[in-house]
Amino acid sequence: GAGVSQSPSNKVTEKGKDVELRCDPISGHTALYWYRQRLGQGLEFLIYFQGNSAPDKSGLPSDRFSAERTGESVSTLTIQRTQQEDSAVYLCASSFVTAAAFFGQGTRLTVV
Amino acid sequence: GENVEQHPSTLSVQEGDSAVIKCTYSDSASNYFPWYKQELGKGPQLIIDIRSNVGEKKDQRIAVTLNKTAKHFSLHITETQPEDSAVYFCAARVAAGGTSYGKLTFGQGTILTVHP
Repeated sequence: GAGVSQSPSNKVTEKGKDVELRCDPISGHTALYWYRQRLGQGLEFLIYFQGNSAPDKSGLPSDRFSAERTGESVSTLTIQRTQQEDSAVYLCASSFVTAAAFFGQGTRLTVV
Repeated sequence: GENVEQHPSTLSVQEGDSAVIKCTYSDSASNYFPWYKQELGKGPQLIIDIRSNVGEKKDQRIAVTLNKTAKHFSLHITETQPEDSAVYFCAARVAAGGTSYGKLTFGQGTILTVHP
């Protein structure tokens, strides 16, 4: 595809359930980022993948959050035992390591 | 790690005026500085970027300046229009090694409102 694709665009889940968010980066992009954006707030870094290097997980807020990336392709962000404070827009971006990063439209997660 | 500070957090201008948003970064190894515009309900969109080997870059009504010595860079929007109203984010990319190589660190964002 032409851009970064995220799915689903919206997700409503019950507190305590697990959710999985998907990001399809631009083809060939070696770097992939996940950010969380609460309503009216800035971009909160979660995790960064770069090629075959170990990911930078320093932004994951708790052990309920995890992410995987298959080679230089799709990435999934998993949130276990969701809590209401997890409600936010989750944004994915991809880039070549020294070039511009492009964002997807995000997944709006609502935990009820 | 890299830290990026962005000011102001909100900016209100009249249509036709100029707007300036400033960012400072902490890691002298950073060498790439993009700016993003985020409209309501959308993902951030790249509007302009600059690399550390140049001091200024322009694209129509927007320009970015970089002062490597002082470790700060700024976004300048001239002849502002109501459609410029959005949240603007600056970022800095680390060029050094380790797990953070290539990682973008964002500022906190600036809400720009252009009044007709």
